[in-house]
Amino acid sequence: ETGVTQTPRHLVMGMTNKKSLKCEQHLGHNAMYWYKQSAKKPLELMFVYSLEERVENNSVPSRFSPECPNSSHLFLHLHTLQPEDSALYLCASSRRTGGNYGYTFGSGTRLTVV
Amino acid sequence: EDQVTQSPEALRLQEGESSSLNCSYTVSGLRGLFWYRQDPGKGPEFLFTLYSAGEEKEKERLKATLTKKESFLHITAPKPEDSATYLCAVQATTDKLIFGTGTRLQVFP
Repeated sequence: ETGVTQTPRHLVMGMTNKKSLKCEQHLGHNAMYWYKQSAKKPLELMFVYSLEERVENNSVPSRFSPECPNSSHLFLHLHTLQPEDSALYLCASSRRTGGNYGYTFGSGTRLTVV
Repeated sequence: EDQVTQSPEALRLQEGESSSLNCSYTVSGLRGLFWYRQDPGKGPEFLFTLYSAGEEKEKERLKATLTKKESFLHITAPKPEDSATYLCAVQATTDKLIFGTGTRLQVFP
């Protein structure tokens, strides 16, 4: 399997639930990213991991908790979310940070918080 | 503050009717400008990277150009399968990609 794979594709969760989003890349990239995409807003960068180390956290609420156990896998742990957190969550990877390399995106997880 | 503005927000074209999408940017130290295509329910798909003013790249019916302040995505004789949202992003000295809100293109037969 190649590219960037995200699971699940769709997720509906209550505000008191705990769930995790998973991202896996088979491109040999060593930087991975979480983005949030809401209607009529630009993609918002949430977290950046380079060589499994978190290098950026864009003032994301603590109810979102990322984890990068190795260069191929990235998780986003969710707990006590709010309805305004409903959005498309995209994972991306690139060859590395510090260079002008394009990102390869997964298909996203459509999250609905009820 | 680094910023990307795309226009128009939405564009409806008849099949074969050529047009252009605009991406204006203000950024300190541009390292690259990226165009992506996004279909409904899918992640963005990479199209082009442009690095310096005057550069042009082509792929099938698409041609991207870059000046010091903006980029254009020209679509020549579009087909219905070109319908998608087209995203522009810039990469500055901070490494991260800064995206615009996109142009939603619809091409009718």
